[in-house]
Amino acid sequence: GAVVSQHPSWVICKSGTSVKIECRSLDFQATTMFWYRQFPKQSLMLMATSNEGSKATYEQGVEKDKFLINHASLTLSTLTVTSAHPEDSSFYICSTGRLPGQNNSPLHFGNGTRLTVT
Amino acid sequence: GIQVEQSPPDLILQEGANSTLRCNFSDSVNNLQWFHQNPWGQLINLFYIPSGTKQNGRLSATTVATERYSLLYISSSQTTDSGVYFCAVGGSYNTDKLIFGTGTRLQVFP
Repeated sequence: GAVVSQHPSWVICKSGTSVKIECRSLDFQATTMFWYRQFPKQSLMLMATSNEGSKATYEQGVEKDKFLINHASLTLSTLTVTSAHPEDSSFYICSTGRLPGQNNSPLHFGNGTRLTVT
Repeated sequence: GIQVEQSPPDLILQEGANSTLRCNFSDSVNNLQWFHQNPWGQLINLFYIPSGTKQNGRLSATTVATERYSLLYISSSQTTDSGVYFCAVGGSYNTDKLIFGTGTRLQVFP
C-alpha cells in the first residue's frame, strides 16, 4: 500500500511567521493529495485538494491565501500556513489519492504535523 | 454533503470486554474506512469496508451500504485499544475525498 511521509511532525512558531508542511508519497506518483485539519478533541475536516500541476481546490470556509498549497511534483505537496496566528494551532494531516484502478484499496495518511503558534 | 455520525461518543471499558461502535452516514458511499487514532495523532487504518464484513484478529467490521451504516466490533479489549475511532466515507463522485465521522473515544482500563 501507499506510504505517506509528512514533515515536520511538530512545529512551534511565533505569531506572524509562516510555516511549511511537506507531504510526500514514497512509493507511487500521486496526482492528487488531500489536506485535513483537526482541532483538539474534534474530528478531521478536509481543507483542500492538492492537484499536481494545477491549483488546489479549497473547501468552503478555508482561506486559500492563508493556506497556500503547492503540488509541484508527483510525489510532493506542501501546505504553507502564512502569517500564522494562535487560532491556526492545530493538527494537520495529509493523504494521497489513489491511482486509477486502485479504487478498492484504502487511502493512506501521513503521521500528521502538530502546529503550535505562540 | 454527506453527514457521518458515530455512536457512542465516549466508551469506557474494562480490559477483556467487548464493544460495538456504530457509524451512520446520510448518503450512498463508495468508500468507507475505519481508523484508530492513537494518542500521538497517527491514523491507523483498520478496515477498508464499503460493504460486507471483514475480520482482523480481535477486530471485525460490517457495512450495510443499503441501510447506510457500518459497525466496528472490538472483542477482548486491551488497554492498547484506547484512543479515538473514526469512520470516514467517500461519496459517489470523489471517493478519495474523505468525510470523517464524529469519532468514538474509547478508554480501556486494566
